[in-house]
Amino acid sequence: DTEVTQTPKHLVMGMTNKKSLKCEQHMGHRAMYWYKQKAKKPPELMFVYSYEKLSINESVPSRFSPECPNSSLLNLHLHALQPEDSALYLCASSQKGWGQGGQPQHFGDGTRLSIL
Amino acid sequence: QKEVEQNSGPLSVPEGAIASLNCTYSDRGSQSFFWYRQYSGKSPELIMSIYSNGDKEDGRFTAQLNKASQYVSLLIRDSQPSDSATYLCAVILDSGGGADGLTFGKGTHLIIQP
Repeated sequence: DTEVTQTPKHLVMGMTNKKSLKCEQHMGHRAMYWYKQKAKKPPELMFVYSYEKLSINESVPSRFSPECPNSSLLNLHLHALQPEDSALYLCASSQKGWGQGGQPQHFGDGTRLSIL
Repeated sequence: QKEVEQNSGPLSVPEGAIASLNCTYSDRGSQSFFWYRQYSGKSPELIMSIYSNGDKEDGRFTAQLNKASQYVSLLIRDSQPSDSATYLCAVILDSGGGADGLTFGKGTHLIIQP
């Protein structure tokens, strides 16, 4: 069991659908992250939130829209995705905040997304 | 350009032996180093973190860091079949403010032979 909870575990959607991925942590972490992982590849950073503010966007297409409603929740809104967006989407959290060292990031189990 | 290099393997080690996994990184400003274990179909699991030169031991795992050589390694003693997984080396460039994402190596596929 992980302390970062992601829902849903699996999602199949068409290219015209709108869906959202959700991530929740109750460890008091103030930094949260979205990563994308394709098969047999390492995770790739998408977004970073620090103290509920977006601090890093790794040039992610606008069809992915992140949201951090509060310090425990992180959403990833999906719209008009392409088949190549099929991947495992991982959420992570850490104690990292402003002026602190790079603390370990703890991952959720991920959402396996398939785009038809 | 931040790069983290690992031998993708597979690395095959007999049960009970020491498995040695290596990683090099390109950015001298990197401050934080991590090893994650990832089983097939699962998410990465933190194994070790190391921040200063030298060795850090935790149970059967030892992480080693040499910033001058830009090299970090993971030793697994008394390897067990359950250690068979992909091991990801990850690095953070500490910019001194804000959170930074992990830059991962491609991972080393470790196979422990019973």
